[in-house]
Amino acid sequence: KNQVEQSPQSLIILEGKNCTLQCNYTVSPFSNLRWYKQDTGRGPVSLTIMTFSENTKSNGRYTATLDADTKQSSLHITASQLSDSASYICVVSEGRGSTLGRLYFGRGTQLTVWP
Amino acid sequence: DGGITQSPKYLFRKEGQNVTLSCEQNLNHDAMYWYRQDPGQGLRLIYYSQIVNDFQKGDIAEGYSVSREKKESFPLTVTSAQKNPTAFYLCASSISISGGIYNEQFFGPGTRLTVL
Repeated sequence: KNQVEQSPQSLIILEGKNCTLQCNYTVSPFSNLRWYKQDTGRGPVSLTIMTFSENTKSNGRYTATLDADTKQSSLHITASQLSDSASYICVVSEGRGSTLGRLYFGRGTQLTVWP
Repeated sequence: DGGITQSPKYLFRKEGQNVTLSCEQNLNHDAMYWYRQDPGQGLRLIYYSQIVNDFQKGDIAEGYSVSREKKESFPLTVTSAQKNPTAFYLCASSISISGGIYNEQFFGPGTRLTVL
């Protein structure tokens, strides 16, 4: 069964600190993996995308890693800011051959940054 | 200003009433989607459409209906048959229905529906 699991469910850190969010998936065949940021009451916004051949992708203070062999990804946030408080969602896309290009969503990690 | 708009932002409904949520996009995308988001759960696909006048059921279509009369618009009707409609509803669009790295789904700001 295709699934995406994220951990931790929630996380509280102090402003300026770093943190790492985890994503494990069983989606097969695999096309790509995206990390989205969702502010409370808003729609998700894409942060990074990685394909099978990529193992690191950065977007400012956000760095995503992918290990396609172990089917694990992480999102590292450096020097956190209050505006980083949001839900971070891992989304895995099914691979070629799928008419829908089906997306599988994790439940998200709720990050709170305290001053 | 390109993007996806949803209206209203908040919607209240009495039990037994149908309500329609609006979704409009000016990105010239062929594919559009409706998702439901509940606390502590991942997004679940309700309906999707890959072209005008065509749409398909997703994983949780029961109690919902859609139409796709124009490329830009994909309204969702929550009917009285939906037993637990209180949720956050997200509309999305992408260039096409197929997967791949360049086919990102762009999300609207969402509509929060509350049944009183």
